[in-house]
Amino acid sequence: ETGVTQSPTHLIKTRGQQVTLRCSSQSGHNTVSWYQQALGQGPQFIFQYYREEENGRGNFPPRFSGLQFPNYSSELNVNALELDDSALYLCASSSSGTAETQYFGPGTRLLVL
Amino acid sequence: EDQVTQSPEALRLQEGESSSLNCSYTVSGLRGLFWYRQDPGKGPEFLFTLYSAGEEKEKERLKATLTKKESFLHITAPKPEDSATYLCAVQSNQAGTALIFGKGTTLSVSS
Repeated sequence: ETGVTQSPTHLIKTRGQQVTLRCSSQSGHNTVSWYQQALGQGPQFIFQYYREEENGRGNFPPRFSGLQFPNYSSELNVNALELDDSALYLCASSSSGTAETQYFGPGTRLLVL
Repeated sequence: EDQVTQSPEALRLQEGESSSLNCSYTVSGLRGLFWYRQDPGKGPEFLFTLYSAGEEKEKERLKATLTKKESFLHITAPKPEDSATYLCAVQSNQAGTALIFGKGTTLSVSS
């Protein structure tokens, strides 16, 4: 069984640029959630995708957007990067259903200069 | 608004010295409470899911319990390899599919 994978592992961008992060879900899972984790904080929910549709969104501006593909993999896009976007971005996959356990990938460390 | 508070923020133990981590929550209808372990720079690793008050789960030196207001993660005879940040998260009727996390407890176990 393949776990959740994310790419790239690290990324450095400058303010105003755009970035795309990628996630492959664990086999058998059809739901992908994205989280942002600042240093010393718990992860914060960005949004979730199920059946290629956004299925819930946290308190993040529209410049954070996403996609889910037919194979359940997903992308997180962030436009007009700001210094505060520097964080660990985590992808988690799960089965659909109430209170299903979410399994996390290793994360992508984004640094915005 | 759903809230999760973890205490203490940091905990230092000697190898073999048992202790407990606390997770207090305020939610509108608990769907599930989750414990994760996170090593520095890595993604959270799933430990336990608890669904209702009175439920308990165990795995090696860890035991998680749940009441209507809080959850405890008991660590029995810890080893240095148990050093990590332990995160508590809830899923609620209000938040839907989102996990709401606490800030975590950073555990250091010295030999």
